Amino acid sequence: GAVVSQHPSRVICKSGTSVKIECRSLDFQATTMFWYRQFPKQSLMLMATSNEGSKATYEQGVEKDKFLINHASLTLSTLTVTSAHPEDSSFYICSAPPGGDSNEKLFFGSGTQLSVL
Amino acid sequence: SQKIEQNSEALNIQEGKTATLTCNYTNYSPAYLQWYRQDPGRGPVFLLLIRENEKEKRKERLKVTFDTTLKQSLFHITASQPADSATYLCALDDTGGFKTIFGAGTRLFVKA
Repeated sequence: GAVVSQHPSRVICKSGTSVKIECRSLDFQATTMFWYRQFPKQSLMLMATSNEGSKATYEQGVEKDKFLINHASLTLSTLTVTSAHPEDSSFYICSAPPGGDSNEKLFFGSGTQLSVL
Repeated sequence: SQKIEQNSEALNIQEGKTATLTCNYTNYSPAYLQWYRQDPGRGPVFLLLIRENEKEKRKERLKVTFDTTLKQSLFHITASQPADSATYLCALDDTGGFKTIFGAGTRLFVKA
């Protein structure tokens, strides 16, 4: 099946620093990628939809200036958490649908556990 | 308001028994519903998709039903094994959109 690679798997940073998370589709082209955030024992919350070659679409309540998304190629999307604070500590997961922009049968990265001290 | 509800309490069953997990939704009209498995510290893995015009779908030991009148999906694992222990998430497509909305999941423990 399709593979989505996400790095890093875990990052610990000081408050005020920026953290970049990469998501790559390894064996298919992903015109669309989705970024989710998950707090312990809670559901995945969609943060934004990343579109190759255009601006990302953010969900209500998600600060686009804080969570910068870049989808520069058909295989790479990045999420940068700028000026991270302890409340940003969470599990961030990217996903991509192998079938174009339909969101059936999403393939997920392995996730990034962000801890902000 | 829109809601997807899964049992928040963990389900504990004995190896060999059938596990049944429930997903109920409110104020959605999904064209399809999906089930994913998530292990701790990992991203979800797709298991099954069932469309609104399908009553039942099977894949090996897995079976999913979809009742659009009751707004409910049931997920069954037959002959359960300890390796089936994980959190199972149901997900559906947002009305008119290209978004997938997830329930909080049900944790399943299968005891040997």
